[in-house]
Order: sequence, then structure tokens, then C-alpha cells
Amino acid sequence: GENVEQHPSTLSVQEGDSAVIKCTYSDSASNYFPWYKQELGKRPQLIIDIRSNVGEKKDQRIAVTLNKTAKHFSLHITETQPEDSAVYFCAASGAAGNKLTFGGGTRVLVKP
Amino acid sequence: DVKVTQSSRYLVKRTGEKVFLECVQDMDHENMFWYRQDPGLGLRLIYFSYDVKMKEKGDIPEGYSVSREKKERFSLILESASTNQTSMYLCASTNGGGRRNEQFFGPGTRLTVL
Repeated sequence: GENVEQHPSTLSVQEGDSAVIKCTYSDSASNYFPWYKQELGKRPQLIIDIRSNVGEKKDQRIAVTLNKTAKHFSLHITETQPEDSAVYFCAASGAAGNKLTFGGGTRVLVKP
Repeated sequence: DVKVTQSSRYLVKRTGEKVFLECVQDMDHENMFWYRQDPGLGLRLIYFSYDVKMKEKGDIPEGYSVSREKKERFSLILESASTNQTSMYLCASTNGGGRRNEQFFGPGTRLTVL
């Protein structure tokens, strides 16, 4: 089955700096890669996703890049703000339809 | 707005007890999922269901079973709770079709097994 690895497990950045989280996946049939954000005590929520026919996608201060050949994808957050502090999860989905395999999560702390 | 609710936010049970965790969604979603969340391990899929009375094993089904008698309700059952099942349990739902596979999560149930 699919295996998703996520790095780093924790990330501390200064407000205004950029943050990058990287994920690798094992199943070359995977074609959908969402990112979820979970604030402390809250439920995970989708923040951005990308499909395999696209190499990059942007939404305001967040962007995702996908390298299908290398089987890795990344989340980029620019101009970080305190409200970006949360746990971020990457995931991959493919031949099994809507079933997602999640990475282990990255705890991001934005220091004011 | 999609609403996914779970029957309890916090639950304390004793080893060997039978435990029921219930999840209800109000958006007529076809697909429902049960995950457990543990620090450093992300969200691990226990069971999922694509339709009423249909269930499929996820990555860690041992010690769990599920029931989906109605489309909106998906129950997770711990037949005989053990201490290693102490965890946060999250339910999620998503539509079967369409390009966007967004999963909508419930608030979670923090289960402690003593």
C-alpha cells in the first residue's frame, strides 16, 4: 500500500519568514495530494490540494509543488504569521479513490 | 456547511469494555472514514465505508469493527478495549464523485482506556 513520509516533524520560524514542509510517497499510482492544517484543539481542515497533472498550485501565501518523477511534494508558506502556527499533514490518494494516506505531521511554530 | 459530529469529545473506559464511537454527517456524503491520531504517527486509517452496509479495512483494523446501517451514520466499535487503544479518534466524510476529494472531519473523541 501507499506510504507517505513527512519532514520535518517540527519547524520553528520567525514571523515573516518562509516555511517549507516536504513529503514523499511510494505509490506511483497516487494522483491527488492534499494538505490539511490542524490548529490546537481543532479538527483538520483542507488548505490546499494538487493533482498529478499539475506541477504547482498557489493560493495567496501558500503553494504546493509536485514532482511526480521523484514522488515528492512540498508545502510552501510565505510571510508566515502567528496564525500559521499549527500541525500540517500531507496526504496522498490514488487508485483506491477517496482513501487518503497521511504523513506523520509537521508542527509549525511561528515566533513573533 | 458540512457538519460532521461525533458522539463524545472525551471518553474514559476500562480494559475489556465494549466501546461505541458514533459519527454523523449531514451532507449526504457517500464515503465515511475512521482514523486514529497519535503524536508523530499522523492520521492512520482504521476502517472506511463507500456505501451503506459496506465496509473496508484500512491500515490498522485490528481490534476494531464498524457498522454503517444508515448513510449518515458510521460507528466504530472496540470489541474489548485495551490500553493501547488510548488515542484521539477522528471521523471524516467526503463525497463520492467530483474532482474535489476534501474530507470533512469531526471534532474528535479522545478515548482513554484504563
